[in-house]
Amino acid sequence: GAVVSQHPSWVICKSGTSVKIECRSLDFQATTMFWYRQFPKQSLMLMATSNEGSKATYEQGVEKDKFLINHASLTLSTLTVTSAHPEDSSFYICSASHALSGSSYEQFFGPGTRLTVL
Amino acid sequence: GENVEQHPSTLSVQEGDSAVIKCTYSDSASNYFPWYKQELGKRPQLIIDIRSNVGEKKDQRIAVTLNKTAKHFSLHITETQPEDSAVYFCAAPQYSSASKIIFGSGTRLSIRP
Repeated sequence: GAVVSQHPSWVICKSGTSVKIECRSLDFQATTMFWYRQFPKQSLMLMATSNEGSKATYEQGVEKDKFLINHASLTLSTLTVTSAHPEDSSFYICSASHALSGSSYEQFFGPGTRLTVL
Repeated sequence: GENVEQHPSTLSVQEGDSAVIKCTYSDSASNYFPWYKQELGKRPQLIIDIRSNVGEKKDQRIAVTLNKTAKHFSLHITETQPEDSAVYFCAAPQYSSASKIIFGSGTRLSIRP
C-alpha cells in the first residue's frame, strides 16, 4: 500500500518552454502532497506543500509564478515549471501523506522526474 | 523552524563492519524521526523511523537510537553488505508546520569489499 507514482520519469525540453509533472497516489487519498527538488549530490529541498482544493504553500525563495502547483483531487497534484531554463534542470520528487498513516509526518515518495533543460 | 544537521557527509566501511550516522535537531517538540535510503536516481525509501516515546528501535541489521535530551538520533547498520552502499538521509518534523519534514544533508555510505 501507499504507492505514489510520477509522470514522466524524465523529460528534456528547450529553454523557455513549460513542463508539467504529475504526481499520483495510487491506493490512498493524499491529504497533503509535497514537491521537492534535488540537485546532484545534494539533499532534498522542499519547494512547496499542497493540500487538495487549496493554494500551495511555497518555501522561501521558491517562485510561485514559476513553479505552478495544482492539487485538484486527493490523488493528483501537478507541478508545472514555466519558462524553464537550464538552471531548473534537476530531479523533482513528489511525496504524499495521508491521515491514516501512523504519523502525520510519514511521507510516501514518488520515483522522481529528471528534468533537463537545454 | 527546525534545523537538522547530519554527519558525516561520507563514510566508507569494510564489508561486515558497522556504520553509524548521526543527526542533531533543534526543535525540542519534534516527535518523529525517519531515516531514508536513496540509491542513485531513485526515490528515497524509508528504512526505519522512531517516535519520541522510545529510545531505540531495531529492525534486523538496522537500528535507530534517540536522545531527546541531547536532541540527537543515530542510524546504526551492522554487518554491512555491498547493497548498503547508498546515500542516507535523516529527517525531522517542521513542527510548526503540519506534516512537513526537514531533511539532513545526507551521508554517502560506501561499503568496501
